[in-house]
Amino acid sequence: EPEVTQTPSHQVTQMGQEVILRCVPISNHLYFYWYRQILGQKVEFLVSFYNNEISEKSEIFDDQFSVERPDGSNFTLKIRSTKLEDSAMYFCASSTTGFYGYTFGSGTRLTVV
Amino acid sequence: AQTVTQSQPEMSVQEAETVTLSCTYDTSESNYYLFWYKQPPSRQMILVIRQEAYKQQNATENRFSVNFQKAAKSFSLKISDSQLGDTAMYFCAFRYGGSQGNLIFGKGTKLSVKP
Repeated sequence: EPEVTQTPSHQVTQMGQEVILRCVPISNHLYFYWYRQILGQKVEFLVSFYNNEISEKSEIFDDQFSVERPDGSNFTLKIRSTKLEDSAMYFCASSTTGFYGYTFGSGTRLTVV
Repeated sequence: AQTVTQSQPEMSVQEAETVTLSCTYDTSESNYYLFWYKQPPSRQMILVIRQEAYKQQNATENRFSVNFQKAAKSFSLKISDSQLGDTAMYFCAFRYGGSQGNLIFGKGTKLSVKP
């Protein structure tokens, strides 16, 4: 079964530092997403990406966040200057079309200290 | 704006019994999709079952089935013959129709299956 792969599984960073979370979506998928889940809370949409550009983003996805697909396989989420409140589980997902739902990666647990 | 409500923060069930998890949603759209995702302690999000809003027939996947009531905007998940491995958080999610679009999740129901 094809998988969405996320690395690293856990990252600890100092407040104010930049972090890059990496994802390898399923190869024939066209739509890519980042979600986050603060511990004990619901999963929240951050951004969707299609045809090499952002197609939708939430209020959470401010200027501190950026995404790119640098080489046709990786899909990255960058947080420029991390804050304590950025500590969360970050999930990458990809899909072909909407009905088939998304395939989520195993997540990256980001801890900002 | 679409919202998804899961009114049961926690539930428990005995192994081999049946349990139903509730989900209601609010939308003015007529074309949309509904999903149930499972999140075990490993925290991976696993798709359990999906339903297209235009289909009246309830979706079924092995021991998992849904009761989709479009007029009532209700989408409950029934787990039959519960197994210990079903212990997890279960999230109901909504997505409007079209080729893409983000998922809107409920807050989740923590299900514990007891031996």
